[in-house]
Amino acid sequence: EPEVTQTPSHQVTQMGQEVILRCVPISNHLYFYWYRQILGQKVEFLVSFYNNEISEKSEIFDDQFSVERPDGSNFTLKIRSTKLEDSAMYFCAGQTRELYEQYFGPGTRLTVT
Amino acid sequence: AQKVTQAQTEISVVEKEDVTLDCVYETRDTTYYLFWYKQPPSGELVFLIRRNSFDEQNEISGRYSWNFQKSTSSFNFTITASQVVDSAVYFCALSEKNSKLTFGKGITLSVRP
Repeated sequence: EPEVTQTPSHQVTQMGQEVILRCVPISNHLYFYWYRQILGQKVEFLVSFYNNEISEKSEIFDDQFSVERPDGSNFTLKIRSTKLEDSAMYFCAGQTRELYEQYFGPGTRLTVT
Repeated sequence: AQKVTQAQTEISVVEKEDVTLDCVYETRDTTYYLFWYKQPPSGELVFLIRRNSFDEQNEISGRYSWNFQKSTSSFNFTITASQVVDSAVYFCALSEKNSKLTFGKGITLSVRP
């Protein structure tokens, strides 16, 4: 059964550094999402992406964040200048149609020191 | 605005007990979808069920059952004859027209042998 994959599984970076988190969605997915989960807290929506553009973004998704799907397969989340409070698990998700179930990747644990 | 409340934070049961996880939601839309996800200790988010607002039929899948009541804006999840492998954090989530998932804070279920 196809799965969403994410790399790396764990990234440690210093404050102020840029990070790129990568996701490979299931091939028939058309809608893509990034969520984050600070340790022990709930899962929070960051951004949705469809037809090569952002559909919606949350207040968390400020100018330091960007997403792209440059080659039609990888879906990336870039944080330009990381802050301590960006430490969290970042989940990528995809779905075939709007409002259908979203399938999540295993997550990337980002630690900012 | 959409909101999901999972008032229970932690539940501990002994194996073979039945357990019900509560979920209450708020939305202004007449069309919406409700979901349950399981997050085992390994951290991934596993889709369990999706329900649309027009379908109030209860659903049973093996030891799992879901009770959707629009009158009380609740979508509760019952595990019958719980097992140690059911130990996880369970999230209820809501999606309106825009498709992003709004999660509750999650319920940590511990099943003791």
